[in-house]
Amino acid sequence: KQEVTQIPAALSVPEGENLVLNCSFTDSAIYNLQWFRQDPGKGLTSLLLIQSSQREQTSGRLNASLDKSSGRSTLYIAASQPGDSATYLCAGTGANSKLTFGKGITLSVRP
Amino acid sequence: EAGVVQSPRYKIIEKKQPVAFWCNPISGHNTLYWYLQNLGQGPELLIRYENEEAVDDSQLPKDRFSAERLKGVDSTLKIQPAELGDSAVYLCASSYGNTNTEAFFGQGTRLTVV
Repeated sequence: KQEVTQIPAALSVPEGENLVLNCSFTDSAIYNLQWFRQDPGKGLTSLLLIQSSQREQTSGRLNASLDKSSGRSTLYIAASQPGDSATYLCAGTGANSKLTFGKGITLSVRP
Repeated sequence: EAGVVQSPRYKIIEKKQPVAFWCNPISGHNTLYWYLQNLGQGPELLIRYENEEAVDDSQLPKDRFSAERLKGVDSTLKIQPAELGDSAVYLCASSYGNTNTEAFFGQGTRLTVV
């Protein structure tokens, strides 16, 4: 059974800082790893999708990496802004197309 | 292009009452998911459809929950009767294909059972 862990549960940084959010998973047989953003009271917004054959994906100030052998993914946010404050969730997709989520990391970027 | 649309956004009901949630996936997406998200937790799968077939409903509490996806497009999730512990956010998602495609989520329905 796939288990996804995101530590720490919360993170507070000053504006402008570069930061890394971590995601670990127990079953390396994933088909892809997806990062989502969730604002309070809202649904999930897809940020980046990394296929199992890929090592990283980039979109603007975001860069996500995937290391299946170590069971880890990271989301790098460059030059953080207050608007980046949200909860960030990662999810691994298994052979049954089921997305297994971590509990998320709540990020607060202080002006 | 419209994203995944869910309604209602919010619902407050008394325990033991029935409730239904509706989801319209992105056009052309054959895979549809219903997820349950409790406060401070990640979403957990309730049921997954491939077209009109429920291919994974192992996590759906079938004594009170039911779902349907007629014609392989819109889907409805029903709870009858609702219990206090059902208070949560119910999320619908869709994707094109299966394992290697991006999943897109709706805004969710926040259910409060009193």
